[in-house]
This record gives sequence, structure tokens and C-alpha cells, in this order.
Amino acid sequence: EAGVTQFPSHSVIEKGQTVTLRCDPISGHDNLYWYRRVMGKEIKFLLHFVKESKQDESGMPNNRFLAERTGGTYSTLKVQPAELEDSGVYFCASSQGLGGRGSPLHFGNGTRLTVT
Amino acid sequence: RKEVEQDPGPFNVPEGATVAFNCTYSNSASQSFFWYRQDCRKEPKLLMSVYSSGNEDGRFTAQLNRASQYISLLIRDSKLSDSATYLCIAGTASKLTFGTGTRLQVTL
Repeated sequence: EAGVTQFPSHSVIEKGQTVTLRCDPISGHDNLYWYRRVMGKEIKFLLHFVKESKQDESGMPNNRFLAERTGGTYSTLKVQPAELEDSGVYFCASSQGLGGRGSPLHFGNGTRLTVT
Repeated sequence: RKEVEQDPGPFNVPEGATVAFNCTYSNSASQSFFWYRQDCRKEPKLLMSVYSSGNEDGRFTAQLNRASQYISLLIRDSKLSDSATYLCIAGTASKLTFGTGTRLQVTL
């Protein structure tokens, strides 16, 4: 079974540019999550999709971040325009059932974003 | 106060030692609890779910105390390969909250 895959693995962009991160969940997993880890801090929740619907986007830092999951398969997370504080590792995870109901999350390798 | 708190460590223990980590959570509505392990520059990987009755998987034992709102992880007979950061996670509905992680270094 293929795991959660994320692309790119690394991205270095300049402040003000746009970056789009992609996540392919495990096939059949309706639940898809985005998390990020900023240097020295804990991994923080960004948002949760159930199929194509945003279930909870309370962790999105501001309106420069846009997540989509058209068709309920892969998801993209776009940062536009990027700021220095957006640097960090962005993890995507998927689960069959709800993580909050006991279904463990399976994480991708993450995208390391550096904004210069 | 953070929603999920862990002692960041590091915990430096010799091979063969027993080590215990605690984690406290502030949201009493939390329903799901996990321990994940994260190696340097890698993604978090599920170590074990934590059940109300406590559960064991080989050398690892997890406990949940709902009254005191804490979760524990006990590692017996530590191996060098156990060196990693251990992440405590507590969740409600769709949102799982991570602790900062506890770093374990097992030495010869």
C-alpha cells in the first residue's frame, strides 16, 4: 500500500512569491489533514478535509493560505504571498476514520519550505 | 498554557534502562490519544494508540488517566534504536493536537 506522498520535498522561495504544496493521501482515506512545524515549535494543526469538504480550518494562520481538495483525492496548500515566518515543515496526514475518534493518522514525509 | 504539554528532555538513558514519559492535556473533551515517534528530519510515525484501559505493545506500555488528564509512555529495556523524539497527541473530533515532543537518547 502506498503511503501519504507529498511534493515537493523541499522548496526555497523568496518572500512575496507563491508556493503550492501537494499531498496525495492513502487511497480510500476520506480524512486529510495539513499540519506544520515551525522551527523550534510543536507541530500545529492547520486544517482537516473530509473528502472535498473543509471540516475544520481553525488552524490556518491567515488568508495567505489556501487549501483545496477538489474531487476529494489529492490536496494542495497554496501560500501567496509567502512571508519569512511561513518557513517550516508542512506535513500532510490522512486517516480512514476521524483522528479524533481513534483512527491514527498516517503522515507524509513533509515539505520543507524555506522563505528567504 | 499549551493544550498538550510534554517535558522536552532530553532524556539520556543507558541501553537496557526503563524510561517513562508523561504528557498532560488541557481539553477534557479529548477523546483520542496517541504516541508518535519522530526521527530527525523524518515524518511522525505512529507508535501506539492509547486506550482507557492501558495497552502494551512489546517493550512499550501506554496509560491514560482521564481524571488527571495525563498520558504516559513506558519503554522497557531501551535500545539504541529507540533514540528519537516521542510526540504525545490528544484529540477531539477532527482536530488532533501535538505536544512539543520529548527527546530520548539511548546510549551504550
